[in-house]
Order: sequence, then structure tokens, then C-alpha cells
Amino acid sequence: KNQVEQSPQSLIILEGKNCTLQCNYTVSPFSNLRWYKQDTGRGPVSLTIMTFSENTKSNGRYTATLDADTKQSSLHITASQLSDSASYICVVMDSSYKLIFGSGTRLLVRP
Amino acid sequence: EAQVTQNPRYLITVTGKKLTVTCSQNMNHEYMSWYRQDPGLGLRQIYYSMNVEVTDKGDVPEGYKVSRKEKRNFPLILESPSPNQTSLYFCASSKTTSGRSNEQFFGPGTRLTVL
Repeated sequence: KNQVEQSPQSLIILEGKNCTLQCNYTVSPFSNLRWYKQDTGRGPVSLTIMTFSENTKSNGRYTATLDADTKQSSLHITASQLSDSASYICVVMDSSYKLIFGSGTRLLVRP
Repeated sequence: EAQVTQNPRYLITVTGKKLTVTCSQNMNHEYMSWYRQDPGLGLRQIYYSMNVEVTDKGDVPEGYKVSRKEKRNFPLILESPSPNQTSLYFCASSKTTSGRSNEQFFGPGTRLTVL
């Protein structure tokens, strides 16, 4: 069964610290992997999209990595800010354009 | 401003009373989709549409209908809502379904409560 698993479920860090979120997937065949940021009560906003041939992509302080062999991805947040507090969702698209969503990691950045 | 809009943003209704949630995008996107989001379950796809007059079921289509008569609009219809359809609903669109740039843009969400 195609699945996307994220860890940890929740994370609390101090402002200015770095953190890494994990995503493991079993989706096959694979088309691309996306990371979204979702503020409470709002729609998700795209951070990165990576295809099979890409193993890293950055968007400001966010850097996503992809290992298509082990079917793992990570999202690294550098020098966290209070505004980074949100849920981060890993999403994998299969070859039939279907999106499979992870349940997200809830990040809280404390002053 | 390029955006996906949904209406209403909040709705409280009673079991069995038909309702429609509208979704509109102004980016000339081909692909549109509806999701529901429930605590602990993440986003689940209800229906999607590759283009005008083309719709297909997602993971949780039971109890919902959609139509795509024109490119910009993709309404979600609940013919006979039930309490288990209480949820946060998102509409999304993307330019195409294929290629690297098929980024999805999400609407602001509709919080539906069925009593």
C-alpha cells in the first residue's frame, strides 16, 4: 500500500536552533516529492518539489533532501524563527498524478 | 492576485440539508482537487479534475459530488450531509498534472460542521 510516514509527530525547539524533519515513503512508481508548510487553519503552502533525479533543493532557510533509493526525504530548517511554527507535510505524487499525504509534523518554535 | 478562493469559509448545517461549497481559481489551471483534513489523518483527496468535464474519485469520495463545467470553477456538493462529514475542506489547483512545475495552490479552507 502506498504510504507516507513522517517523524516526529511533533517537535519543540528554541528560536534560532536548527531542526530536521523526516519523511519515509513506500509510493511506487514515484513521480515527485513535495514539502508543504501549513499554518493553523490555513491552506498548505508549497516549500519544495523534487523529482527522482534531484537530491537536494533549498528555499531560503528550508532545505529538502531526497534519497530515492532508500525512499527517504528530510526537511532541514536553519536558524528557526517563531514564524516557522506550523505543520510540515510531506506529499508524494505517484505516476498517475495521485497525491499521497503524510500526516505531518507539528513544529513549535519557542522564544 | 493569483489565488484559489472558497466559499463559504465557515458553515454549520444540519443532517440531510444539501449544500455546495464553491471553489474558483484565476490562474487558468487545468487540475483542480478537493481535500478534507481531519485531526490525526492528514489531508485526504475527495475528488479531482484533470480538465473541464473530466473528474475522478480520490480516496474518500463517498457522500460527495463534484462538477467541472468550466475551467475556473470546481464546486463540491454534499447532497445529504452527515455528521461524519464535519471537517476542514480545501480546494487546490495546479497548472498541469505532469512535469516538475505542477505545484498545487491551496484555497483558504472551509470549516464545515454537520449537526
